[in-house]
Amino acid sequence: EDQVTQSPEALRLQEGESSSLNCSYTVSGLRGLFWYRQDPGKGPEFLFTLYSAGEEKEKERLKATLTKKESFLHITAPKPEDSATYLCAVISGGYNKLIFGAGTRLAVHP
Amino acid sequence: NAGVTQTPKFQVLKTGQSMTLQCAQDMNHEYMSWYRQDPGMGLRLIHYSVGAGITDQGEVPNGYNVSRSTTEDFPLRLLSAAPSQTSVYFCASSYSSETEEYFGPGTRLTVT
Repeated sequence: EDQVTQSPEALRLQEGESSSLNCSYTVSGLRGLFWYRQDPGKGPEFLFTLYSAGEEKEKERLKATLTKKESFLHITAPKPEDSATYLCAVISGGYNKLIFGAGTRLAVHP
Repeated sequence: NAGVTQTPKFQVLKTGQSMTLQCAQDMNHEYMSWYRQDPGMGLRLIHYSVGAGITDQGEVPNGYNVSRSTTEDFPLRLLSAAPSQTSVYFCASSYSSETEEYFGPGTRLTVT
């Protein structure tokens, strides 16, 4: 069964304290991995798509990487405005639709 | 472009009532989908459509109906509301099933 697990569930950082969020997946043939950001009371906002192991994407303080078993979202020198829930989702060869993880709630304190 | 719009933003229903959640997109996307989001469970796919006139079931379709008569609109109907359908509902659209989805602002539904 296709599955996506995100860790940790919640993360509290001080401003400037870099860290990483993890998304591990078990799917029958990965066709794409997506990262989204969700602010309270709003819909998810697209950040990155990764298609193959070794691929990396960057946007401001965020960098997403992909291996054959997991993806990391690295946050460098975070600011309070980076506080949000970060969602990971995959499309597998066996199920032609997005499967979401439960998300990581990130809080960055000044 | 307005992107993906949803109405209403909030709704309270009594058990057994029916209602329709509206969703529209102005990006000419063929692929549209409905999700529900519950605490600790992530987003779960209810129904999706790959184009006008074509719909299919997702992971949690029971109690919901959809239709797609135009490319722009994809309404979700609750046939007989139950407390288990209390959730936040998101509509999304994408160019294809393998590209990123764009989400609407959500509808928060409470069934009492």
